[in-house]
Amino acid sequence: DQQVKQNSPSLSVQEGRISILNCDYTNSMFDYFLWYKKYPAEGPTFLISISSIKDKNEDGRFTVFLNKSAKHLSLHIVPSQPGDSAVYFCAARVAQSGYALNFGKGTSLLVTP
Amino acid sequence: SAVISQKPSRDICQRGTSLTIQCQVDSQVTMMFWYRQQPGQSLTLIATANQGSEATYESGFVIDKFPISRPNLTFSTLTVSNMSPEDSSIYLCSVGGNYEQYFGPGTRLTVT
Repeated sequence: DQQVKQNSPSLSVQEGRISILNCDYTNSMFDYFLWYKKYPAEGPTFLISISSIKDKNEDGRFTVFLNKSAKHLSLHIVPSQPGDSAVYFCAARVAQSGYALNFGKGTSLLVTP
Repeated sequence: SAVISQKPSRDICQRGTSLTIQCQVDSQVTMMFWYRQQPGQSLTLIATANQGSEATYESGFVIDKFPISRPNLTFSTLTVSNMSPEDSSIYLCSVGGNYEQYFGPGTRLTVT
């Protein structure tokens, strides 16, 4: 069963505006969450992560928010740039269960000029 | 992060044949992982490959179908055996440890 869900397969945002990508999870044992960006014909590129003991992590234009009670996390990109157009994957892991990352199906972001 | 390369980048194979995918890393790493992304699906871990020990397979994946070698700390291979059209996927190797994992460019396999 899909433990990490990205319910929006696609998102279109104007350049300069905020992009918000959402991710929900069902496994309360997840303790580490990651976002990856993937361009066509390339492998996923690590973007940003957050531990379950935090509720926010920021790196430049990228901020990840974690709401454990709602089992929800989001990635904010501000300001959005055309080069941000890619597929974004949310992933999660349970540290005590090894190293397997559970991925969502991805959200395709299109940033228009 | 490590630089990871994979060969081949893509291939078209006939059912019943086998394909070996190579993964090369530019630095020594303890843990290497093999993932699969079927069309329209998320990435799924196939197995974890540690140098000097047998690979550890995830539920639903078996060694006879996906044998893995890990001869040293910079290289691994994944073989997709006795292929069927359902094996058509992108196969990715990754490296990492307790937290982030970094991915190679992937091998796009089509089985006809």
